[in-house]
Amino acid sequence: DQQVKQNSPSLSVQEGRISILNCDYTNSMFDYFLWYKKYPAEGPTFLISISSIKDKNEDGRFTVFLNKSAKHLSLHIVPSQPGDSAVYFCAASRQGAQKLVFGQGTRLTINP
Amino acid sequence: SQTIHQWPATLVQPVGSPLSLECTVEGTSNPNLYWYRQAAGRGLQLLFYSVGIGQISSEVPQNLSASRPQDRQFILSSKKLLLSDSGFYLCAWSVLAGVIHEQYFGPGTRLTVT
Repeated sequence: DQQVKQNSPSLSVQEGRISILNCDYTNSMFDYFLWYKKYPAEGPTFLISISSIKDKNEDGRFTVFLNKSAKHLSLHIVPSQPGDSAVYFCAASRQGAQKLVFGQGTRLTINP
Repeated sequence: SQTIHQWPATLVQPVGSPLSLECTVEGTSNPNLYWYRQAAGRGLQLLFYSVGIGQISSEVPQNLSASRPQDRQFILSSKKLLLSDSGFYLCAWSVLAGVIHEQYFGPGTRLTVT
């Protein structure tokens, strides 16, 4: 039972354009969502998060949008840079839980 | 600041051999600790987590085990490795019992079982 899904295994975007990574979840109890970035042979690094009381959170070039009614969140990267090429994981959690539920990841490639 | 260490960075082991991977965290007390595995081309699978010394929760049945002998030390073990145990093993920590949900990952261990 995949509670957090990233349906696009890969995405290719031209440098300078917007990258949009999508994530869907099924558990309505989730109230906190996170995005991680992972380079090959390294551990994931925390990127940005959003609480369910918000519908948008912005940090520099990165913005996360949350649509609770659709159980959908997205990560926007503007403008995309070559260093953004990595695998991006979304994750979800709920109040009181001690663990995160991760999606399968989306490999983002930024083309020059 | 907090740092998390994992070793070894890479490991090649024959089928049937034992395994011990170690993870330590510095700069924090009473963390939650986690072991994940990323198989080739796959997502992050939570294997074990611990909310305190000696407290281990297992997420998937397998031939791996975990132990937490000290507050900031988390060990992943196996008595006999299988080919399917190959993968990238990640340790992570988070604030215990927090409203903060972020987990912070170590550099990982690449395990190849031959």
